[in-house]
Amino acid sequence: NAGVTQTPKFQVLKTGQSMTLQCAQDMNHEYMSWYRQDPGMGLRLIHYSVGAGITDQGEVPNGYNVSRSTTEDFPLRLLSAAPSQTSVYFCASSAAGTGKEKLFFGSGTQLSVL
Amino acid sequence: RKEVEQDPGPFNVPEGATVAFNCTYSNSASQSFFWYRQDCRKEPKLLMSVYSSGNEDGRFTAQLNRASQYISLLIRDSKLSDSATYLCVVSHNDMRFGAGTRLTVKP
Repeated sequence: NAGVTQTPKFQVLKTGQSMTLQCAQDMNHEYMSWYRQDPGMGLRLIHYSVGAGITDQGEVPNGYNVSRSTTEDFPLRLLSAAPSQTSVYFCASSAAGTGKEKLFFGSGTQLSVL
Repeated sequence: RKEVEQDPGPFNVPEGATVAFNCTYSNSASQSFFWYRQDCRKEPKLLMSVYSSGNEDGRFTAQLNRASQYISLLIRDSKLSDSATYLCVVSHNDMRFGAGTRLTVKP
């Protein structure tokens, strides 16, 4: 029972590079989301999706894109990485469509942008 | 002002102690409340939901005060394994996390 799977676990980028963080869940959850966690800031919502084909912005969406072509997958794209995007990224899913119930998190991606 | 505020700690307590964490939130329309636990370098995991009437799960008790817009978590008879960061989470249109309170339980 895999739950929420994130890849990669670690990534180093140079400023201006692009990359995609992968997130997949096998629980048939409609709601999926991406958070970033910075020291002293707590987790901040980047983007979320309430179902395939539907995405919306969270608290800190600038510099990130998402898509939801299937229920299982919710990739996060950094278009042109900046040092301010150095952070730990978590993908999460929830059985409730609103995401207002229990969140299941992936194990996180530590991203450094030089 | 942050939407969800917590005392960052750290709280250092001996085994067997009782410790309480508070959390305040700014959006009076918030509907759902939770405590999550996060171990070092790990993902957050749900500890317990917080209900209006207060609720208990073993050694853990959560309380909600809507009038004052704060949530509390009480841990009784602390164990070494309780050492972690405790995240307060408040939901309105989406889930908003506090920065967390770090707890270390010492022998």
